[in-house]
Amino acid sequence: DVKVTQSSRYLVKRTGEKVFLECVQDMDHENMFWYRQDPGLGLRLIYFSYDVKMKEKGDIPEGYSVSREKKERFSLILESASTNQTSMYLCASSPWDIYSNQPQHFGDGTRLSIL
Amino acid sequence: GESVGLHLPTLSVQEGDNSIINCAYSNSASDYFIWYKQESGKGPQFIIDIRSNMDKRQGQRVTVLLNKTVKHLSLQIAATQPGDSAVYFCAEKGRYGGGFKTIFGAGTRLFVKA
Repeated sequence: DVKVTQSSRYLVKRTGEKVFLECVQDMDHENMFWYRQDPGLGLRLIYFSYDVKMKEKGDIPEGYSVSREKKERFSLILESASTNQTSMYLCASSPWDIYSNQPQHFGDGTRLSIL
Repeated sequence: GESVGLHLPTLSVQEGDNSIINCAYSNSASDYFIWYKQESGKGPQFIIDIRSNMDKRQGQRVTVLLNKTVKHLSLQIAATQPGDSAVYFCAEKGRYGGGFKTIFGAGTRLFVKA
C-alpha cells in the first residue's frame, strides 16, 4: 500500500512565524502535491512537484513556498503565517501519469492553527 | 467553468440499504474520474476510478457510473454498513488551459443509521 506520511497531525503557530509542513511518501512517486481543505470549498491545490527540485504553482500559492530536495520528501513552507492560513493541509503523491491516469494518494493531514 | 459539484451535501441511509452519491462536472474534456472516502480525522482514501471510455466500473460493494452526455458521475455502495459513514467526494481530471488538472468536489457526508 502507498504510504504518505505527514510529520504533524496538529500544529499551533503564531502570526508571523515561519512554518514548515513535511511530507514523505514511500512509493517512489514522481508527483507530489500540497492542498488545503476548508469546509465547503473542497481541496484547493497550493503547489505541486513532478520531480526533484521542480515545482509548479497551483491555484492558491500566495503566502506559501515549497521545497523538494529528495524524491520522497515534499515540504510546504508558510513564509510568514497569517490567521487566514488556518486550515487542514493535505499532502498527496502519484506516479508519473502523463500517458496513463493514476489516482493521488493522500496523507492524513496536518490541522494547522495560526493564532 | 471549472467546477465539480454535488447534488446533496448530506445523505442518510439505513444500514443494509444501497447508497447513491451523485456528482456533476462541467469540463467536457475531462477523461478521468475518481471517488474518494474521507473518514473523520483521516486523509482522503481512494475508492474507485473510471476512465472516460467506460460507462461503468465495479469494485467490492461499490460501482461508479459515468454519464458523459449529461456530465454526471455517481457512486453506488451496496449493502451500506456503519463503517461506510464518511465524506465522499469526486474528482475529475482533464485538460484546463495548457495542462492537466484535477478538480475535487466539496463532498457529501454519508450517515448510516443502524
